[in-house]
Amino acid sequence: EAQVTQNPRYLITVTGKKLTVTCSQNMNHEYMSWYRQDPGLGLRQIYYSMNVEVTDKGDVPEGYKVSRKEKRNFPLILESPSPNQTSLYFCASSLFQGGYNEQFFGPGTRLTVL
Amino acid sequence: DQQVKQNSPSLSVQEGRISILNCDYTNSMFDYFLWYKKYPAEGPTFLISISSIKDKNEDGRFTVFLNKSAKHLSLHIVPSQPGDSAVYFCAAGGNEKLTFGTGTRLTIIP
Repeated sequence: EAQVTQNPRYLITVTGKKLTVTCSQNMNHEYMSWYRQDPGLGLRQIYYSMNVEVTDKGDVPEGYKVSRKEKRNFPLILESPSPNQTSLYFCASSLFQGGYNEQFFGPGTRLTVL
Repeated sequence: DQQVKQNSPSLSVQEGRISILNCDYTNSMFDYFLWYKKYPAEGPTFLISISSIKDKNEDGRFTVFLNKSAKHLSLHIVPSQPGDSAVYFCAAGGNEKLTFGTGTRLTIIP
């Protein structure tokens, strides 16, 4: 089944404790992206990747890191999480560049930073 | 600076009637537009899209209209069904990324 998977689905952590949210797609997509969803703000892009080893900042990249060492994986890293990073996070992928293609979304990761 | 705006946070429509969801954008460089639907505890799923060279695209009960001069697009759902109750996001694209609106929660009343 074609899908985007994220792990974990739920995470409660404390300020400053490094964490990684994994994202994997099995559709051989070139483009991958991370979004956060917050009430009243919709979906905002954090980082995106046009291809392996190519990543770029989205609209809200502060406090996050990403890497794209393999085509299928695009982990999101929070080196020192803070309470303002409490949010619902979505990973997405699309066949080619993200602005002209349907993006497929993972099920989401709800993160709480205490 | 919200480049894509959905000014109605919520909308309630009687089952069988037409639902109209609206979206406005400010960036004239956007030339591809999409609608996504999101159920609770799930990721958004693609619904329908339209290129800026068109002014209408239809897929079953769903039709998207684009008015480039007004920088406005709308999604029409006819007839509305209970399963259409969800949050709807519009998105605008150009080249490397999509920019999403804030979402409209649609509730279909049986």
